[in-house]
Amino acid sequence: DAGVIQSPRHEVTEMGQEVTLRCKPISGHNSLFWYRQTMMRGLELLIYFNNNVPIDDSGMPEDRFSAKMPNASFSTLKIQPSEPRDSAVYFCASSPTGYDTQYFGPGTRLTVL
Amino acid sequence: GDSVTQMEGPVTLSEEAFLTINCTYTATGYPSLFWYVQYPGEGLQLLLKATKADDKGSNKGFEATYRKETTSFHLEKGSVQVSDSAVYFCALRNTGGFKTIFGAGTRLFVKA
Repeated sequence: DAGVIQSPRHEVTEMGQEVTLRCKPISGHNSLFWYRQTMMRGLELLIYFNNNVPIDDSGMPEDRFSAKMPNASFSTLKIQPSEPRDSAVYFCASSPTGYDTQYFGPGTRLTVL
Repeated sequence: GDSVTQMEGPVTLSEEAFLTINCTYTATGYPSLFWYVQYPGEGLQLLLKATKADDKGSNKGFEATYRKETTSFHLEKGSVQVSDSAVYFCALRNTGGFKTIFGAGTRLFVKA
């Protein structure tokens, strides 16, 4: 079975540009998580969706960040405008329910110049 | 709030050495405890878990026992291999909750 799919794997952009990260969860999983990983802050939960509905977005750092899940097989995380401090690895993870093991994608390494 | 503290790395061992990575937690209620592993360039993947006190999780030669009295979940392996080189994350999820709290991660290097 295919795991969680993320695209792109690497993104390099300039400050002020819009960035869109994409995630396809494992089929049949109804929970989806977006995380950010940096050396300084470790792994941070940004937002959690259950059945395509955002349940907790308290980890979203500021209004420049937004996430959507238009259907059960696709989610996006958008940063507009991007800043150098947004440089990090962004992971998407899915779970059969919100209370099960999470399955992580390979991540998107974002560099904002 | 809930938290996880794990030993700082990096940990450098020779092949076939014994591994211990310490993890302690603070949580209300009765959390489930996890160890995840992250290989270079990859996402995290579940290594083992335990859902109640005194449970032992095990996988690929790794073990960890849920110790409620010491609020610990230390990871052990009797004989490490070069292929075990990775970052290891201790984590907890509280009963009825969706949020998994991760430790800072411990990087392990195993030398041939």
